[in-house]
Amino acid sequence: AQKITQTQPGMFVQEKEAVTLDCTYDTSDPSYGLFWYKQPSSGEMIFLIYQGSYDQQNATEGRYSLNFQKARKSANLVISASQLGDSAMYFCAMREGNTGTASKLTFGTGTRLQVTL
Amino acid sequence: DTGVSQNPRHKITKRGQNVTFRCDPISEHNRLYWYRQTLGQGPEFLTYFQNEAQLEKSRLLSDRFSAERPKGSFSTLEIQRTEQGDSAMYLCASSPNSLYNSPLHFGNGTRLTVT
Repeated sequence: AQKITQTQPGMFVQEKEAVTLDCTYDTSDPSYGLFWYKQPSSGEMIFLIYQGSYDQQNATEGRYSLNFQKARKSANLVISASQLGDSAMYFCAMREGNTGTASKLTFGTGTRLQVTL
Repeated sequence: DTGVSQNPRHKITKRGQNVTFRCDPISEHNRLYWYRQTLGQGPEFLTYFQNEAQLEKSRLLSDRFSAERPKGSFSTLEIQRTEQGDSAMYLCASSPNSLYNSPLHFGNGTRLTVT
């Protein structure tokens, strides 16, 4: 079973509008972290935002916020006031906490976001 | 914090040749990870180190692949007898620990093309 599912291969948003990128996850570990990364065409993976499984509030980092719905196992990324420079691939990832060998990040397949004028 | 450094950025090689990539993690990070990313896909885990110990290897890592981190600092990933299916972006990442709330910091990757 897929641990991280991103169902939107591609999304378009107009400049200055908000956009939501979907992510659902699957784990039986009570301790886990959810991460979003941005990958521009240049290839580097840029860490954007983190949400922990025990966090009571949704994470925010500037124009990025995470809509965390634990019961639904979803962790959607919201980008407000989109800019042309936000055009990139966006990956949702999870890191599980309780298994010593499972300290790696597991990634979804990504969503390509295109910001238009 | 100078970031994770990977060399070379690009490598073109002929099928059957051996290639080696280098990764220099952030200096205080004791965890180092290798991932592979093919076009249109998310990064896939290959292996990771805690200091010099290689703690986990993915089934994706065939016998032709070997990774080392001899002194717990930089790491090398070698692919022997390259095949066209090895063409991908190879990403290195590091983190200060294995806690689930700690992000991985990635390098810019090495893009391998096998002709």
